[in-house]
Amino acid sequence: RKEVEQDPGPFNVPEGATVAFNCTYSNSASQSFFWYRQDCRKEPKLLMSVYSSGNEDGRFTAQLNRASQYISLLIRDSKLSDSATYLCVVIITGGGNKLTFGTGTQLKVEL
Amino acid sequence: NAGVTQTPKFQVLKTGQSMTLQCAQDMNHNSMYWYRQDPGMGLRLIYYSASEGTTDKGEVPNGYNVSRLNKREFSLRLESAAPSQTSVYFCASSEDRPGGEKLFFGSGTQLSVL
Repeated sequence: RKEVEQDPGPFNVPEGATVAFNCTYSNSASQSFFWYRQDCRKEPKLLMSVYSSGNEDGRFTAQLNRASQYISLLIRDSKLSDSATYLCVVIITGGGNKLTFGTGTQLKVEL
Repeated sequence: NAGVTQTPKFQVLKTGQSMTLQCAQDMNHNSMYWYRQDPGMGLRLIYYSASEGTTDKGEVPNGYNVSRLNKREFSLRLESAAPSQTSVYFCASSEDRPGGEKLFFGSGTQLSVL
């Protein structure tokens, strides 16, 4: 089983739709969680951190479920510009950070 | 403040040739990383450096060497390139403190080995 798993998609949604992605992780010692966005042929960029209590940044909401070992990203009112690949990152801290990336979920927002 | 600067952007090598990918960051970060990204595989860590003078193997270190020349620079060397090393390579840096795990990436190097 992969340490971090994501549905590769693509998720094709109309503009204005709400879409959600999940990311499951296998190591219960994982302590920090992030969502990164990667546009085609570009470098990944941090979208948002994922806190235990859940957090929201505009149209984006991230949640963590430690019991079931997954994080989620919800995008409301999708824009064409949201089209990208969304990578989840799981980190085990202590003695140096061990970061593990998921393979990414591709989102295509269409007119 | 340029962030993470990575060169070259594109490179084509013949099997057996050598080359060095350069990376520099101006954010005074302790930690630096080299990743490769292949379709369907996601980002995989090649080597990382937690501080100047230290380097450690990541998930896929075979065929690569690294040098942490100083706090700013972290280079990746392919001594004898193989077609399996065709990939997109990203350098990244981060602060070395709890909550500082945010990675800043360079713009990537697309490498083709023929």
